[in-house]
Amino acid sequence: AQSVTQLGSHVSVSEGALVLLRCNYSSSVPPYLFWYVQYPNQGLQLLLKYTSAATLVKGINGFEAEFKKSETSFHLTKPSAHMSDAAEYFCAVNLGTSYGKLTFGQGTILTVHP
Amino acid sequence: EAGVTQFPSHSVIEKGQTVTLRCDPISGHDNLYWYRRVMGKEIKFLLHFVKESKQDESGMPNNRFLAERTGGTYSTLKVQPAELEDSGVYFCASSQAGGSETEAFFGQGTRLTVV
Repeated sequence: AQSVTQLGSHVSVSEGALVLLRCNYSSSVPPYLFWYVQYPNQGLQLLLKYTSAATLVKGINGFEAEFKKSETSFHLTKPSAHMSDAAEYFCAVNLGTSYGKLTFGQGTILTVHP
Repeated sequence: EAGVTQFPSHSVIEKGQTVTLRCDPISGHDNLYWYRRVMGKEIKFLLHFVKESKQDESGMPNNRFLAERTGGTYSTLKVQPAELEDSGVYFCASSQAGGSETEAFFGQGTRLTVV
């Protein structure tokens, strides 16, 4: 059973436009949720994480995500896209293990047009 | 501070050969993870070390895969013999001791191609 679903394998936006990358999860326990980004030829870098302290989480590079328990969602947003945001983005969840084992979504490739 | 380092960055081998991937975690990180991404699929967990001990190897595909972390420092992942379906990107990650909210730092990955 799929535990993390990212809607849209490819998202394309214009520079300056809103970025919205969708992530839904399924979990029977309170999850820890993460967004990672992979720029070309680099490793995965943590953008932000939700650990139950606050439902609206701010991350690096102007990104933020809101945890909505009723919708089992953790969508990633950025008000204004920049060319440097072009990358692949991964939503991941820790499904209640006591260590950092992550279950990833399929990834979303973000393209930013001038 | 050096990040997680993986060697080699790329490897092309023939079916039936052996390949060993290496991961050097961030110094002082007790937790070390291996993940794999097969083309077109999601990144999947392979196994988890705490220091030199395997804590969870539930994601290892089969007994052709052997992971070690002697001395609790660097780790190796050996595939023997390699099959075509083993092709993909192998990621290593490490984290400090802590709970499930602890951030994992990832390496650049090793792209393995089996021909």
